[in-house]
Amino acid sequence: DAGVTQSPTHLIKTRGQHVTLRCSPISGHKSVSWYQQVLGQGPQFIFQYYEKEERGRGNFPDRFSARQFPNYSSELNVNALLLGDSALYLCASSGLLADSSYEQYFGPGTRLTVT
Amino acid sequence: EDQVTQSPEALRLQEGESSSLNCSYTVSGLRGLFWYRQDPGKGPEFLFTLYSAGEEKEKERLKATLTKKESFLHITAPKPEDSATYLCAVLTTDSWGKLQFGAGTQVVVTP
Repeated sequence: DAGVTQSPTHLIKTRGQHVTLRCSPISGHKSVSWYQQVLGQGPQFIFQYYEKEERGRGNFPDRFSARQFPNYSSELNVNALLLGDSALYLCASSGLLADSSYEQYFGPGTRLTVT
Repeated sequence: EDQVTQSPEALRLQEGESSSLNCSYTVSGLRGLFWYRQDPGKGPEFLFTLYSAGEEKEKERLKATLTKKESFLHITAPKPEDSATYLCAVLTTDSWGKLQFGAGTQVVVTP
Protein backbone atom coordinates (compact mmCIF):
# COMPACT_ATOMS: atom_id res chain seq x y z
CA ASP A 1 0.00 0.00 0.00
CA ALA A 2 1.19 3.51 -0.77
CA GLY A 3 2.15 5.68 2.16
CA VAL A 4 1.77 9.43 2.41
CA THR A 5 3.03 11.16 -0.71
CA GLN A 6 4.16 14.77 -1.05
CA SER A 7 5.13 16.93 -3.98
CA PRO A 8 7.39 18.47 -4.96
CA THR A 9 10.42 16.93 -3.24
CA HIS A 10 12.49 20.08 -3.40
CA LEU A 11 11.65 23.68 -4.18
CA ILE A 12 13.66 26.88 -4.45
CA LYS A 13 11.80 30.19 -4.28
CA THR A 14 12.68 33.86 -3.99
CA ARG A 15 11.59 36.11 -1.13
CA GLY A 16 8.11 37.53 -1.68
CA GLN A 17 6.95 34.68 -3.91
CA HIS A 18 4.13 32.25 -3.24
CA VAL A 19 4.39 28.45 -2.91
CA THR A 20 1.93 25.55 -2.95
CA LEU A 21 2.82 22.19 -1.45
CA ARG A 22 0.74 19.07 -2.00
CA CYS A 23 -0.02 15.96 0.02
CA SER A 24 -1.94 12.73 -0.55
CA PRO A 25 -2.82 10.76 2.61
CA ILE A 26 -2.81 7.03 3.10
CA SER A 27 -5.85 5.46 1.47
CA GLY A 28 -8.76 5.50 3.94
CA HIS A 29 -7.30 8.26 6.12
CA LYS A 30 -9.44 11.38 6.36
CA SER A 31 -7.19 13.58 8.50
CA VAL A 32 -4.16 15.49 7.26
CA SER A 33 -1.81 17.59 9.39
CA TRP A 34 0.99 19.90 8.25
CA TYR A 35 4.24 20.54 10.10
CA GLN A 36 7.29 22.74 9.58
CA GLN A 37 10.70 21.41 10.61
CA VAL A 38 13.78 23.61 10.66
CA LEU A 39 17.21 22.06 11.00
CA GLY A 40 17.99 20.74 14.47
CA GLN A 41 14.44 21.09 15.79
CA GLY A 42 11.38 18.90 16.06
CA PRO A 43 8.45 19.47 13.69
CA GLN A 44 6.13 22.37 14.54
CA PHE A 45 2.39 21.99 13.97
CA ILE A 46 0.85 24.28 11.34
CA PHE A 47 -2.64 22.93 10.52
CA GLN A 48 -4.91 19.93 10.87
CA TYR A 49 -7.77 19.13 8.50
CA TYR A 50 -10.38 16.44 9.04
CA GLU A 51 -13.24 15.77 6.66
CA LYS A 52 -12.29 18.90 4.71
CA GLU A 53 -12.64 21.21 7.71
CA GLU A 54 -9.87 22.93 9.66
CA ARG A 55 -9.67 21.31 13.09
CA GLY A 56 -6.53 22.92 14.45
CA ARG A 57 -4.13 25.74 13.74
CA GLY A 58 -0.66 26.33 15.12
CA ASN A 59 1.10 29.59 15.87
CA PHE A 60 1.89 30.59 12.30
CA PRO A 61 1.10 33.88 10.52
CA ASP A 62 -1.83 34.34 8.15
CA ARG A 63 0.57 33.98 5.22
CA PHE A 64 0.13 30.25 5.80
CA SER A 65 -3.12 28.68 4.63
CA ALA A 66 -4.30 25.20 3.70
CA ARG A 67 -7.25 23.29 2.40
CA GLN A 68 -8.41 19.71 2.02
CA PHE A 69 -10.16 18.36 -1.04
CA PRO A 70 -13.06 15.86 -1.35
CA ASN A 71 -10.54 13.04 -2.01
CA TYR A 72 -8.79 14.02 1.30
CA SER A 73 -5.64 15.27 -0.38
CA SER A 74 -4.42 18.63 0.87
CA GLU A 75 -2.54 21.76 -0.15
CA LEU A 76 -0.43 24.08 2.00
CA ASN A 77 0.00 27.59 0.65
CA VAL A 78 2.53 30.13 1.84
CA ASN A 79 2.39 33.72 0.59
CA ALA A 80 5.04 36.46 0.68
CA LEU A 81 7.85 34.03 1.42
CA LEU A 82 10.52 35.04 3.92
CA LEU A 83 14.01 33.61 4.33
CA GLY A 84 12.86 32.11 7.63
CA ASP A 85 10.29 29.98 5.82
CA SER A 86 13.12 27.76 4.56
CA ALA A 87 12.44 24.37 6.13
CA LEU A 88 11.28 20.81 5.58
CA TYR A 89 7.49 20.79 5.30
CA LEU A 90 5.90 17.56 6.44
CA CYS A 91 2.46 16.18 5.87
CA ALA A 92 1.00 13.49 8.12
CA SER A 93 -2.16 11.45 7.73
CA SER A 94 -4.22 9.76 10.41
CA GLY A 95 -7.21 7.48 10.51
CA LEU A 96 -8.48 9.25 13.64
CA LEU A 97 -12.02 8.27 14.48
CA ALA A 98 -12.15 5.73 11.66
CA ASP A 99 -9.79 3.34 13.42
CA SER A 100 -9.77 4.80 16.96
CA SER A 101 -6.14 5.69 16.46
CA TYR A 102 -4.37 8.98 16.86
CA GLU A 103 -1.22 7.75 15.18
CA GLN A 104 0.12 10.02 12.45
CA TYR A 105 2.13 8.73 9.52
CA PHE A 106 4.45 11.17 7.83
CA GLY A 107 5.35 11.67 4.22
CA PRO A 108 8.90 12.25 2.97
CA GLY A 109 8.52 16.03 3.14
CA THR A 110 9.11 18.95 0.81
CA ARG A 111 12.40 20.79 1.24
CA LEU A 112 11.72 24.51 0.65
CA THR A 113 14.62 26.90 0.22
CA VAL A 114 13.89 30.63 0.09
CA THR A 115 16.66 32.82 -1.33
CA GLU B 1 2.21 25.69 28.97
CA ASP B 2 2.70 22.24 27.46
CA GLN B 3 6.34 21.22 27.16
CA VAL B 4 8.30 18.26 25.79
CA THR B 5 12.02 17.90 26.56
CA GLN B 6 14.32 15.20 25.24
CA SER B 7 17.71 14.23 26.61
CA PRO B 8 20.47 13.82 25.81
CA GLU B 9 20.67 15.95 22.66
CA ALA B 10 23.16 13.53 21.14
CA LEU B 11 24.39 10.05 21.97
CA ARG B 12 27.32 8.14 20.55
CA LEU B 13 27.29 4.38 21.17
CA GLN B 14 29.49 1.46 20.30
CA GLU B 15 27.73 -1.37 18.54
CA GLY B 16 26.18 -3.58 21.23
CA GLU B 17 26.29 -0.86 23.92
CA SER B 18 22.73 -0.53 25.27
CA SER B 19 21.39 2.85 26.37
CA SER B 20 18.21 4.84 27.06
CA LEU B 21 16.76 8.05 25.71
CA ASN B 22 14.54 10.24 27.86
CA CYS B 23 11.44 12.26 27.00
CA SER B 24 9.95 14.31 29.82
CA TYR B 25 6.66 16.09 29.36
CA THR B 26 4.45 18.62 31.10
CA VAL B 27 0.93 18.72 29.71
CA SER B 28 -2.53 19.52 30.96
CA GLY B 29 -3.86 16.14 29.89
CA LEU B 30 -2.15 13.38 27.90
CA ARG B 31 -4.03 11.64 25.12
CA GLY B 32 -0.97 9.77 23.87
CA LEU B 33 2.83 9.81 23.57
CA PHE B 34 4.49 8.88 20.31
CA TRP B 35 8.03 7.87 19.33
CA TYR B 36 9.40 8.41 15.83
CA ARG B 37 12.68 7.70 14.11
CA GLN B 38 13.95 10.22 11.54
CA ASP B 39 16.79 9.74 9.09
CA PRO B 40 18.50 12.86 7.64
CA GLY B 41 16.35 14.67 5.09
CA LYS B 42 13.43 12.26 5.46
CA GLY B 43 10.07 12.28 7.18
CA PRO B 44 9.66 10.79 10.67
CA GLU B 45 8.92 7.06 10.76
CA PHE B 46 6.35 5.95 13.32
CA LEU B 47 7.63 3.58 16.01
CA PHE B 48 5.30 3.43 19.04
CA THR B 49 2.24 4.90 20.70
CA LEU B 50 1.83 4.82 24.49
CA TYR B 51 -1.46 5.85 26.04
CA SER B 52 -1.22 5.26 29.79
CA ALA B 53 1.37 5.10 32.57
CA GLY B 54 2.89 1.65 32.93
CA GLU B 55 2.43 0.77 29.29
CA GLU B 56 5.36 -0.75 27.38
CA LYS B 57 5.86 -1.46 23.67
CA GLU B 58 8.69 -3.37 21.95
CA LYS B 59 9.96 -3.63 18.40
CA GLU B 60 13.18 -5.45 17.61
CA ARG B 61 15.94 -3.74 19.66
CA LEU B 62 13.69 -0.88 20.83
CA LYS B 63 11.47 -0.74 23.90
CA ALA B 64 9.38 2.25 24.95
CA THR B 65 7.98 2.81 28.44
CA LEU B 66 5.73 5.50 29.92
CA THR B 67 5.27 7.04 33.35
CA LYS B 68 3.12 10.00 34.36
CA LYS B 69 5.97 12.43 33.73
CA GLU B 70 8.31 10.83 31.22
CA SER B 71 8.94 8.17 28.64
CA PHE B 72 12.06 6.17 27.93
CA LEU B 73 13.21 4.59 24.69
CA HIS B 74 15.61 1.76 25.46
CA ILE B 75 17.95 0.61 22.70
CA THR B 76 19.30 -2.87 23.40
CA ALA B 77 22.51 -4.03 21.69
CA PRO B 78 22.29 -1.35 18.98
CA LYS B 79 23.59 -1.81 15.45
CA PRO B 80 24.91 0.89 13.09
CA GLU B 81 21.57 0.88 11.26
CA ASP B 82 19.93 2.18 14.45
CA SER B 83 21.73 5.49 13.88
CA ALA B 84 19.06 8.20 13.49
CA THR B 85 17.35 11.03 15.33
CA TYR B 86 14.66 9.78 17.68
CA LEU B 87 11.75 12.13 18.28
CA CYS B 88 9.06 11.96 20.91
CA ALA B 89 5.77 13.81 20.65
CA VAL B 90 2.68 14.25 22.81
CA LEU B 91 -0.95 14.62 21.88
CA THR B 92 -2.99 16.40 24.53
CA THR B 93 -6.61 15.79 25.42
CA ASP B 94 -7.69 19.13 23.95
CA SER B 95 -6.50 18.14 20.47
CA TRP B 96 -7.03 15.39 17.95
CA GLY B 97 -4.12 16.11 15.68
CA LYS B 98 -1.61 18.61 17.09
CA LEU B 99 1.51 16.64 17.92
CA GLN B 100 3.96 18.59 20.08
CA PHE B 101 7.49 17.38 19.48
CA GLY B 102 10.67 17.48 21.47
CA ALA B 103 13.88 18.53 19.72
CA GLY B 104 15.03 14.93 19.35
CA THR B 105 18.03 12.83 20.35
CA GLN B 106 20.60 12.18 17.64
CA VAL B 107 21.99 8.66 18.03
CA VAL B 108 25.16 7.49 16.30
CA VAL B 109 26.14 3.81 16.60
CA THR B 110 29.69 2.97 15.54
CA PRO B 111 30.90 -0.53 14.57
